[in-house]
Amino acid sequence: GDSVTQMEGPVTLSEEAFLTINCTYTATGYPSLFWYVQYPGEGLQLLLKATKADDKGSNKGFEATYRKETTSFHLEKGSVQVSDSAVYFCALSTDRGSTLGRLYFGRGTQLTVWP
Amino acid sequence: DVKVTQSSRYLVKRTGEKVFLECVQDMDHENMFWYRQDPGLGLRLIYFSYDVKMKEKGDIPEGYSVSREKKERFSLILESASTNQTSMYLCASSLLGAGGPRETQYFGPGTRLLVL
Repeated sequence: GDSVTQMEGPVTLSEEAFLTINCTYTATGYPSLFWYVQYPGEGLQLLLKATKADDKGSNKGFEATYRKETTSFHLEKGSVQVSDSAVYFCALSTDRGSTLGRLYFGRGTQLTVWP
Repeated sequence: DVKVTQSSRYLVKRTGEKVFLECVQDMDHENMFWYRQDPGLGLRLIYFSYDVKMKEKGDIPEGYSVSREKKERFSLILESASTNQTSMYLCASSLLGAGGPRETQYFGPGTRLLVL
């Protein structure tokens, strides 16, 4: 079935360090891929998304490229800030059947950035 | 901006009580979802709904039921609360639309439920 596997955390970085959070997926058809972020005490909010192969999603300095050949959607940021400390979730959305539009989430990666 | 609100941020209930969690969205979205979030397990889908009076089971529906009498409101019901239902509950909504799987889900702030 459809599923997402993402890098286990926690991840701890110093400010201005480079960030990569790995995400791979298993899906039939042509899913859309998402990164959601959850700041402390809040619900999830969309960070970025990509809806077809080779698309790159980007927002707030974060980027991820939909790679069909490696079934991956890794999240990257060149220089993290303290304010990026949050939990990051990779997710996919199916494009077929009775589950059209539901999201399958990874387990989340806790990121802590120190000044 | 899309707004998804949940009736309570924190809730404490006793084992065996019937618990209602309410979710309201203001963007005329067709789809609504209930998840629970537990450390190390991520988000797990409990129930979802594509239309009024319509519901579909997610991955962990046991011990829960839902109600969708109006398009903007989706309620999660714990028929007889148990301690293993202590969790964070998140509601979300999205358009059904032509975008299908490309549509973004919008989340509420969550309800942290403690069952004693």
